[in-house]
Amino acid sequence: QKEVEQNSGPLSVPEGAIASLNCTYSDRGSQSFFWYRQYSGKSPELIMSIYSNGDKEDGRFTAQLNKASQYVSLLIRDSQPSDSATYLCAVNIPLYGNNRLAFGKGNQVVVIP
Amino acid sequence: GAVVSQHPSWVICKSGTSVKIECRSLDFQATTMFWYRQFPKQSLMLMATSNEGSKATYEQGVEKDKFLINHASLTLSTLTVTSAHPEDSSFYICSAREGGSGGAEQYFGPGTRLTVT
Repeated sequence: QKEVEQNSGPLSVPEGAIASLNCTYSDRGSQSFFWYRQYSGKSPELIMSIYSNGDKEDGRFTAQLNKASQYVSLLIRDSQPSDSATYLCAVNIPLYGNNRLAFGKGNQVVVIP
Repeated sequence: GAVVSQHPSWVICKSGTSVKIECRSLDFQATTMFWYRQFPKQSLMLMATSNEGSKATYEQGVEKDKFLINHASLTLSTLTVTSAHPEDSSFYICSAREGGSGGAEQYFGPGTRLTVT
């Protein structure tokens, strides 16, 4: 079982709509969860972190965490063309120390004007 | 805050030569730095984890004698690709984690694109 899984294929959403991304993880000991945005040819940029069950909102982004079900999601409201990027889910792996993060393969989001 | 720089941003070198990439945390002290490699349209691959003042921990399959990592200070880590070959051409990205009571957030540098001819 992969440490972090992001299974959906590319997501196309019309401008102004909500983009919804999901991620599951395997280590029940994980306590820290992150979403990174990566534009093509660029390095990842941290956009959200969440540590407790429930929702966390930051601007147009909402992260949702459910530790019992071992999933974390990201909602992008009022999607803009500038949101077109690959979104990486990252989870800390306590087993390895150093708070090493395991990354999912990413979900590509395309916002259509 | 939490700015990480990398130098150079891109480099072209000939096969057999060595290339050094620098990673600096500009506004915080990074007790741990990570080096990743990313091939086109693929996910990040962790190469190694380095802690200031100690030897790096390499991931399985990463040759430590080929990818030399030095984390000499709390703000600087270097990756040297020795005897580079065309298959080493990739996007190398470092990240840094703040020490002390900081969380597990990793802040990424802008990356270095290496092309070996």
